[in-house]
Parts: sequence; structure tokens; C-alpha cells
Amino acid sequence: EDQVTQSPEALRLQEGESSSLNCSYTVSGLRGLFWYRQDPGKGPEFLFTLYSAGEEKEKERLKATLTKKESFLHITAPKPEDSATYLCALTDSWGKFQFGAGTQVVVTP
Amino acid sequence: GAVVSQHPSWVICKSGTSVKIECRSLDFQATTMFWYRQFPKQSLMLMATSNEGSKATYEQGVEKDKFLINHASLTLSTLTVTSAHPEDSSFYICSGVLAGQETQYFGPGTRLLVL
Repeated sequence: EDQVTQSPEALRLQEGESSSLNCSYTVSGLRGLFWYRQDPGKGPEFLFTLYSAGEEKEKERLKATLTKKESFLHITAPKPEDSATYLCALTDSWGKFQFGAGTQVVVTP
Repeated sequence: GAVVSQHPSWVICKSGTSVKIECRSLDFQATTMFWYRQFPKQSLMLMATSNEGSKATYEQGVEKDKFLINHASLTLSTLTVTSAHPEDSSFYICSGVLAGQETQYFGPGTRLLVL
């Protein structure tokens, strides 16, 4: 059975304190791994799609990487506006889309 | 690009009434749309997958007669909560996928409160 596990559940950072979020997975054939950001009371906002091990993508202070077993979302020098819940999701070879539980990030000034 | 809208953004209704939520892909054609619900402090739970012009596929435990889904065009899907009850109160979110791609683009969500 496919599993998507995110860690930590919650992360509190000082402004400027870089960190990484983890998304580990077991899946029968990965078709795509996705990162989203969700603010309270809003729908998930698309960040990145990764397709194969070794792939990396960047957007402003965020960088996503992918291996055969896990993905990392690196947040470099975060600002308070980076506070959100970050969701990892994937699609397996059957086309099933599955979310992880999310990591709640709080960045304090 | 890949913007999805939902209407209404929030709705309050009396128990026993039906509520319709619209999901539109504004700048792309979504051959497949998905409906999720999300309870506080929890991740999104897939309710159903809807393909344009065909019947929706519901996840196990989701009553298809209670949550009616219509995907009449490549840019519009609707979710109707029939005879809503307080336990149906939740945050409902839709998403769309471009043909041939895997990435889902999500709407802003609809908050439903059933009194």
C-alpha cells in the first residue's frame, strides 16, 4: 500500500533560520511528486512537481529535491510570510493521488 | 496560469436543504476534476474523481446519492450536497488537471456550515 509520510509535523523557525521538510514515500511506481503550500482557510497553492530521482526545482526561498525514497523541501532564510502548512503529495503508477499529513511551519520575526 | 475558482466561498444553510458548489477552471480545460473535503487540522480527503461527460468515481465510504457530482464541461464541475446535515459541515475543495499532466491545481475552497 502506498504511503506518504511527512516530518516533522510542526516546525517553528526564527526568521532567517534555514531548514528542511521531509516527505518519505513508498509507492508502486512514482508518476509525480508534488509540493503545495496551504494557508488557513484556503486551498493548496501549487509549488513544484518532481518526476524523477535527482531532479531539483527552485522558487524564491524554496527548493525541492527528490530521491527514490524521499523528497525534501528546503526553506532558505525564511520570512514570516513563509508561515503555512506545506503538503507533499504523489501520484502512483495507477494514477492514484495521495497527500501526506503536512508540516505546519511557523516563522517568527 | 492554471487558475481554479469555486463559488460560493462560504455558505450557511439549514439542515435538510441542498447546497450546490461550483468549480471552474478559468484558464485551462480540465479533463479531470477532483473533489476533496478537509476537516480542521487534517489533510485533504479525496471524495470523488470526475471526468467530463462521464459519471464520477467515488471513494470508499462517500455516498454518491448524497454528494452529487456533475462535470458537464471541460471547465465546470459541480458538487451538490443533498439534504445536508450538521455533520456535512466542512471545507470542500476542488482541483483540476490538464490533459496529459499529473499536477492538480486547487480552488480556494468552500466553507459549508449546516445549522
